[in-house]
Amino acid sequence: LAKTTQPISMDSYEGQEVNITCSHNNIATNDYITWYQQFPSQGPRFIIQGYKTKVTNEVASLFIPADRKSSTLSLPRVSLSDTAVYYCLVGDMEKTGANNLFFGTGTRLTVIP
Amino acid sequence: GAVVSQHPSRVICKSGTSVKIECRSLDFQATTMFWYRQFPKQSLMLMATSNEGSKATYEQGVEKDKFLINHASLTLSTLTVTSAHPEDSSFYICSAPTSANEQFFGPGTRLTVL
Repeated sequence: LAKTTQPISMDSYEGQEVNITCSHNNIATNDYITWYQQFPSQGPRFIIQGYKTKVTNEVASLFIPADRKSSTLSLPRVSLSDTAVYYCLVGDMEKTGANNLFFGTGTRLTVIP
Repeated sequence: GAVVSQHPSRVICKSGTSVKIECRSLDFQATTMFWYRQFPKQSLMLMATSNEGSKATYEQGVEKDKFLINHASLTLSTLTVTSAHPEDSSFYICSAPTSANEQFFGPGTRLTVL
């Protein structure tokens, strides 16, 4: 079970790019990296998922180095509504067991006006 | 993306009563669903795996007689908190994987036990 380590909290001003790095030193060959966003009193919401190199969608980019022992979620030009907790999860996508999806502490991002 | 719903979104009950929370996959079938508990300012903790047609699998430290799980169909799992006490007050979240192994989470249920 690949555990993850993230900064507990981050602050950013509106309009800035935010990069949140996650360490997962014990990532296995079949593991994918998935990031979720959670607002207070809501369930986690999928942001982005990747296996290696770079993945980009309409809301974020995910950078994964060659050794895959870390990953960085990049949020371009954050707004106040991006204030939330961001979780990095590592799991084997061939298995549907939720014990593959271990929620670490997450990173509490606060966007400041 | 796929949609997972939960009902109720919020419930307040007296100590000693039982509370049922429903989790539904609205546009896909899920043979497996998962139940999490989240205390304020903390991360999600997996409680149990709900399996359609068989018994649920509970994580270590979770009392199966207190948290009854029934996976009645391919789109519905229920969590019943029996004889609820104030320490059971928490945010309960379910999730379900699609056939593509993508996990979708429900909106959560806020349980307050007085």
